Amino acid sequence: GIQVEQSPPDLILQEGANSTLRCNFSDSVNNLQWFHQNPWGQLINLFYIPSGTKQNGRLSATTVATERYSLLYISSSQTTDSGVYFCAVSDTGTASKLTFGTGTRLQVTL
Amino acid sequence: DTGVSQDPRHKITKRGQNVTFRCDPISEHNRLYWYRQTLGQGPEFLTYFQNEAQLEKSRLLSDRFSAERPKGSFSTLEIQRTEQGDSAMYLCASSRGGFGNTIYFGEGSWLTVV
Repeated sequence: GIQVEQSPPDLILQEGANSTLRCNFSDSVNNLQWFHQNPWGQLINLFYIPSGTKQNGRLSATTVATERYSLLYISSSQTTDSGVYFCAVSDTGTASKLTFGTGTRLQVTL
Repeated sequence: DTGVSQDPRHKITKRGQNVTFRCDPISEHNRLYWYRQTLGQGPEFLTYFQNEAQLEKSRLLSDRFSAERPKGSFSTLEIQRTEQGDSAMYLCASSRGGFGNTIYFGEGSWLTVV
């Protein structure tokens, strides 16, 4: 099956700093999604981005499918950005079976 | 749109007992998924339904696990003869069918087997 690696595993930022999270995957994918899991366990979908670039407020994501990686950018980080960020992929276009990475744990401090 | 709801949110059970979790998906979503997440790991796929049909099951879903979606609406996940290794968070999610549709997760059901 597809392997998903995320880096860095842990990240500590001061409020206001920017960061880049990376997701590498081992095979061609037709579905790639980024999620944020808050400290209470809720998984929130951030982006559906099998290719290209998208932006939503302070967050943006870029997937280079031919090189099998995706990047999640967080600008002007806030304490509410803390949590774990997961990349999940599927080799079908639907979300029928997503394979998740092990996540990047982000802590934003004052 | 009330989101995906799961019940119970927390369950502590003795080894060997049976437990059942319920998931109510977003009403217009015809796809429903179950995932399992242990501490420090990403969610792992268990199974998914399109309407009432169970279309795929992971090899993680042993014969002690059974999932149903009898009328294509809510779903149940039952674990029989629980073992300590079953302790995890069980996540339900739903989406519309087809390509490019966002998947929405519930808040999860935490299971502790003692």
